[in-house]
Amino acid sequence: QVQLVQSGAEVKKPGSSVKVSCKASGGTFSSFGLGWVRQAPGQGLEWMGGIIPFLGTPNYAQKFQGRVTMTADKPTNTAYMDLSSLRSEDTAVYYCARKRAGHFDYWGQGTLVTVSS
Amino acid sequence: QSVLTQPPSVSGAPGQRVTISCTGSSSNIGAGYDVHWYQQLPGTAPKLLIYGNTNRPSGVPDRFSGSKSGTSASLAITGLQAEDEADYYCQSYDSSLSGSLFGGGTKLTVL
Repeated sequence: QVQLVQSGAEVKKPGSSVKVSCKASGGTFSSFGLGWVRQAPGQGLEWMGGIIPFLGTPNYAQKFQGRVTMTADKPTNTAYMDLSSLRSEDTAVYYCARKRAGHFDYWGQGTLVTVSS
Repeated sequence: QSVLTQPPSVSGAPGQRVTISCTGSSSNIGAGYDVHWYQQLPGTAPKLLIYGNTNRPSGVPDRFSGSKSGTSASLAITGLQAEDEADYYCQSYDSSLSGSLFGGGTKLTVL
């Protein structure tokens, strides 16, 4: 059974950066894509981008271009999402999810990132 | 504009049937890209409900079904149960965005 375990909650100051990790187990990490989706309080799901660990090439939503970096470390089966220049609107729960044939079949538990001065 | 439009809310009594629509455009659903559906219970991560327009992952009851036609897709839930009360999201690929796109979500209330 595939399991995605994310790092813990973070509180950040405006203008700083946050790095969220997502460790995969129970599956072949490199074979599928890994996406990142966020959900602001009381709001819907928003796709941020993704990466195929085998290829190492990320694909970012235009909204986050220049502010987000997604990487994957194959030896440790861990993916990372780094978001910089944080502002209050970035306060959200950030999810990683395995992407297979266009859909997200396994999800991490979510990481709450709070941006506050 | 690349948007997947869902009704903000739907409701139904236990045992009834409800449907949730997801309307897209020629750059996503209308272009032939698959539609997928997720269920999100309060305080939890989304769960895959339907993939590839009509397919249910193992463990999802057959009370849930999906369909797609033209630029729209629908999720149908029959024999509504209290435990179905949740937020539901559709998702597809959008060629204009070169990435995934989620609908705004629909809150299902079981009366």
